[in-house]
Amino acid sequence: GDSVTQMEGPVTLSEEAFLTINCTYTATGYPSLFWYVQYPGEGLQLLLKATKADDKGSNKGFEATYRKETTSFHLEKGSVQVSDSAVYFCALILTGFQKLVFGTGTRLLVSP
Amino acid sequence: GAVVSQHPSWVICKSGTSVKIECRSLDFQATTMFWYRQFPKQSLMLMATSNEGSKATYEQGVEKDKFLINHASLTLSTLTVTSAHPEDSSFYICSARDQSGQWTDTQYFGPGTRLTVL
Repeated sequence: GDSVTQMEGPVTLSEEAFLTINCTYTATGYPSLFWYVQYPGEGLQLLLKATKADDKGSNKGFEATYRKETTSFHLEKGSVQVSDSAVYFCALILTGFQKLVFGTGTRLLVSP
Repeated sequence: GAVVSQHPSWVICKSGTSVKIECRSLDFQATTMFWYRQFPKQSLMLMATSNEGSKATYEQGVEKDKFLINHASLTLSTLTVTSAHPEDSSFYICSARDQSGQWTDTQYFGPGTRLTVL
C-alpha cells in the first residue's frame, strides 16, 4: 500500500545549523507531496507542497524537491532557529483520492 | 486564507457523558472534512471522512456509533464522542479540503481539541 517513511527523531541541532529531514514514499500512482509542521499543543500547519516530479516547494526558508527517481521529498533549511522546534510530518495524497497518508513525524529540537 | 477553526480547544468531561467538537472552515467552503486522532508523540490517525450532506465514511476499527459525525453545511462538521470513557482521551484534529482554488488536494488543519475524560 501507499506509505511514507520519515527519519526517526529527535533531531537535535544548534541554532543556525543546516537541517535535513529525510522522507521517502511508496505510492501506486502519482502523489502530491506535503510537509506539515506541528508546534507544541497545536494542530498541523501546511509548510510546503509539491504536486509533480522536480517541483520544489518552499516556505519560510524551508525547501523540499519532489524526486520521482528516488521517491523522496527531503526537507531542508539552511539555518534553523529556535522557533523552528516542532514536529514535522511528511505526507502524500494520490491524485483523485482524498486520504492523506502521513509519516510518523520527526521532532526537531533547536538549541540556542 | 484557508483557515480552519475548532471549538472547544480543550474539554474535560466525566465518564459516560457526551462531548461535541466543532470544526469550521472560516474563509472557504469545504465539501469534505476529515477527523483525526493523535496520541502523544504519535502521528495522526484518520478516523473518518465527512462529506457535506451525506453519511461519514469511517476507517476500519473506528466505532461509528461512538464517534458521531455530522457535516450539515459546507463550513461546519461536528464530531460527537458519545458515552466518553478515559480511553477516549486524546487530541482530536479536523481538516478541510479547499476545493475552490488551484490546489484541490490540500488539506488545512484546525488547531485541535484536547479531550480529557475523567
